[in-house]
Formats: sequence, structure tokens, C-alpha cells
Amino acid sequence: DSGVTQTPKHLITATGQRVTLRCSPRSGDLSVYWYQQSLDQGLQFLIQYYNGEERAKGNILERFSAQQFPDLHSELNLSSLELGDSALYFCASSVGGGRRFYNEQFFGPGTRLTVL
Amino acid sequence: SQELEQSPQSLIVQEGKNLTINCTSSKTLYGLYWYKQKYGEGLIFLMMLQKGGEEKSHEKITAKLDEKKQQSSLHITASQPSHAGIYLCGADNREMNAGNMLTFGGGTRLMVKP
Repeated sequence: DSGVTQTPKHLITATGQRVTLRCSPRSGDLSVYWYQQSLDQGLQFLIQYYNGEERAKGNILERFSAQQFPDLHSELNLSSLELGDSALYFCASSVGGGRRFYNEQFFGPGTRLTVL
Repeated sequence: SQELEQSPQSLIVQEGKNLTINCTSSKTLYGLYWYKQKYGEGLIFLMMLQKGGEEKSHEKITAKLDEKKQQSSLHITASQPSHAGIYLCGADNREMNAGNMLTFGGGTRLMVKP
């Protein structure tokens, strides 16, 4: 158990819908990262938040958005869902979040999203 | 952008055999992370390597970062069924001005036959 929790574990929805994935980082970690894992694209970085602020952005679609709240939990919002959005979505957390540090990222169990 | 290539893509070994997984980067590696993933589950952090020539071991798994810092290897000694899973290497992406995003390789799927 990494200490990172994600809910829900599974999510099945229809095209065009909107969903919210939730992540609670390990106690003491200030950074939260979101990754998407699919069979064709592999594991890809979406976005990082550090202490409530966006720190880095990767291959995140405009239909997707995220935020980190004052209690450091994070939510990833996916809207206008398409079949291709079906994937495993992982949240990870680390202590630091700046360029000075090498930060081991600890991953949650993931949310499996299925868009029908 | 930085790309990581892992080889082999899949591997089937007999229990008790040694094996090596390689991770090659298109650019200099500043931080290299090894993770293990059971199918459909989360990633388990194994080791992080920072310096060229660095070597770390945990139980029967040893990881090295070569001197030129563009390749890492993961070696498992006397493999066991519990070692089965997908091994992923991830690199600290220094192209970003801030943040600690990781770029991952495609993974190596390991099966260990009893």
C-alpha cells in the first residue's frame, strides 16, 4: 500500500458525459500528479500540482481539468467523454515538487474508466 | 522530447533463472526510476538512480545507471513467480521548466514459469 488513495476504483459511463476522479496523496506529500495509461499510448503524464498550484502540464486534453484543494487532495475532471478516453488513470504523490529535488513518486491503485 | 525504450518488451523465464531488462534514453538521464506493476494495478516504486555509475540493490533486484547516463538496466537474480509483472522505467524530464513529470518507457512484461 503506497498510501495514495484513489476513488472510485471503477467507473463506467457513456460518451458525452462528465466524470470526476479523486485522489488523496500520502500524508506529508505536497505534489500530486495525474497519469493516463492506455494500451496504445502507454503511461503518459497529464498534470502536476504542488501545494495547490499547477506546476507542470503534459499531454492533457482541453476537455480535462484538474485542481488541488487546500487539504491537498486533488480531482481530475474529464468532460465530453469519448471512447478513446477509456483508460487507467493514476494519481501519484511526492514530497517535493520543484526542480531542485529528485522526487520518488508513489502511485495510487488507479481508476479504471470505461466509456461506452 | 525525451523517449525511453525498454527491451525486451516481454520475457518468459524459468523460475530460478537470472534476467536483465534494459531502458535506453534518447537523452541524458538525470533521474531514473524503476517501477513494477501487476496487471491493472498501481505502480510499485522499486528504485531511483541519479548518478552515472550508480548501482542499487533491493532483495534480488539490482539496478544500474551507466556512466554516460543514457541507459539503465534492471537485473533480477534467481527469479521467482512473485517477480512476475510489468517493469517500467521512468525518467525525470528536464525539458520542463518546472515540475517533476516522469516520462515512461513502454514496459517489459515478465512471466516466471514455476
